[in-house]
Amino acid sequence: GDSVTQMEGPVTLSEEAFLTINCTYTATGYPSLFWYVQYPGEGLQLLLKATKADDKGSNKGFEATYRKETTSFHLEKGSVQVSDSAVYFCALKVSNFGNEKLTFGTGTRLTIIP
Amino acid sequence: DGGITQSPKYLFRKEGQNVTLSCEQNLNHDAMYWYRQDPGQGLRLIYYSQIVNDFQKGDIAEGYSVSREKKESFPLTVTSAQKNPTAFYLCASSIDAGAGNSPLHFGNGTRLTVT
Repeated sequence: GDSVTQMEGPVTLSEEAFLTINCTYTATGYPSLFWYVQYPGEGLQLLLKATKADDKGSNKGFEATYRKETTSFHLEKGSVQVSDSAVYFCALKVSNFGNEKLTFGTGTRLTIIP
Repeated sequence: DGGITQSPKYLFRKEGQNVTLSCEQNLNHDAMYWYRQDPGQGLRLIYYSQIVNDFQKGDIAEGYSVSREKKESFPLTVTSAQKNPTAFYLCASSIDAGAGNSPLHFGNGTRLTVT
């Protein structure tokens, strides 16, 4: 079945450090890939997405490139801020009519220290 | 503003009681979903609905029930048959369940505690 494997956390970085959160996937079809972010006490918000190989999703300084050859969708940011502290989820969705669902990774908790 | 409203934010129940979690959306989305979030396990799909009056079981449907009588509403009932009901429950919707790249929009969740 479809699955997502994320880098285990928690991850703690200093402000302005470079961030990478690894994500790899297994899918039976051609998935769309997503990164969601969850701030304390809230639901998830879409951060970025990519729908086909070599697409790059970007938002709020975060980027991720859909790499079909390595089945990866790593999240990166060049200079993190305290406000980026949250839990980040990698997810995939395969277009399979009659069985639509988003498969999530376990999440990576990120803490940024001033 | 359009969005998804989950209520209440915190819910406490005694073991053996059924409890219903509310989820309402005004985004005019066709598809709605219920996820359960537990520490270290990410999100797991309980039920989803692609259209009014139709719904499908997700990965962990046992002990839960849903209804979809209106497009805007997708309530989840946690029954006494659910062995470990204490969790954070998230409702979500998407514009079109048939499009693989349509993202999910989430509510702010309901934290259920059963003692």
